[in-house]
Amino acid sequence: NAGVMQNPRHLVRRRGQEARLRCSPMKGHSHVYWYRQLPEEGLKFMVYLQKENIIDESGMPKERFSAEFPKEGPSILRIQQVVRGDSAAYFCASSPSQGEKLFFGSGTQLSVL
Amino acid sequence: ELKVEQNPLFLSMQEGKNYTIYCNYSTTSDRLYWYRQDPGKSLESLFVLLSNGAVKQEGRLMASLDTKARLSTLHITAAVHDLSATYFCAVGSNYGGATNKLIFGTGTLLAVQP
Repeated sequence: NAGVMQNPRHLVRRRGQEARLRCSPMKGHSHVYWYRQLPEEGLKFMVYLQKENIIDESGMPKERFSAEFPKEGPSILRIQQVVRGDSAAYFCASSPSQGEKLFFGSGTQLSVL
Repeated sequence: ELKVEQNPLFLSMQEGKNYTIYCNYSTTSDRLYWYRQDPGKSLESLFVLLSNGAVKQEGRLMASLDTKARLSTLHITAAVHDLSATYFCAVGSNYGGATNKLIFGTGTLLAVQP
C-alpha cells in the first residue's frame, strides 16, 4: 500500500509564474489536507478537502492560492503569480475519515527565484 | 482559535540524560499527536493520545496527556544520538462537531550530543 505521494519533490519557479503541486492520498483515503512549512517553523494548516469538496480553507491566503480534489485524480494545490515569500515546503496529508490520524507525504519544496 | 505552544524550542542533551518537552494548547480538543521530523524529511507519527490521563510509550519516548490542564508531555529517557530530530505536537481542531484538522506546535529541535 503506497503512502501519500507528492510530486514534484522539488519545484523551482520564477516570480510571477504558476506552481502546481500534486498529492495522491493513500489508497482508501478520501480526506486530504495541505500544510505549509517555512524554514525552522512548524506546519501551518492551509486547506482540508474531501472528494470534490473544500471543507475548511481557513488557512489559505485569500488571493493566488487555490486547491481542488476532483473525483478522479490527485489533489492539486495551485499558486498563481508566485512571489519569493511563497518559498516553503508544502506537505500533503490524508486520512480515511474525519478525525482519523493523518499520514503525511514527503512534501514539495517550492523555491521562487 | 486554537493555539499550540511547545517548549523548549531547542534542546541540547547529552546522551544518557532525561528530559521533557511540553505542549500546551488553548482550547478543548479530543486528540493530540506527537510527530517526529528529520531534516528534509516528512513527518513520522509517534503517538496518538485520545483521553485524559493517556500515556503511551515507545522505546525511550513516553507521551502523556492532561486534558484538564491542556498539557501534553514527551519524556525522553536516557537519550541516544538517533533521537536527534525535530518533535512536533499537534492538536485536533474541532469544526462542525468533529475534528477536521491538526494545529501544530512550533516544534522542538532536539540535539543529542555524545
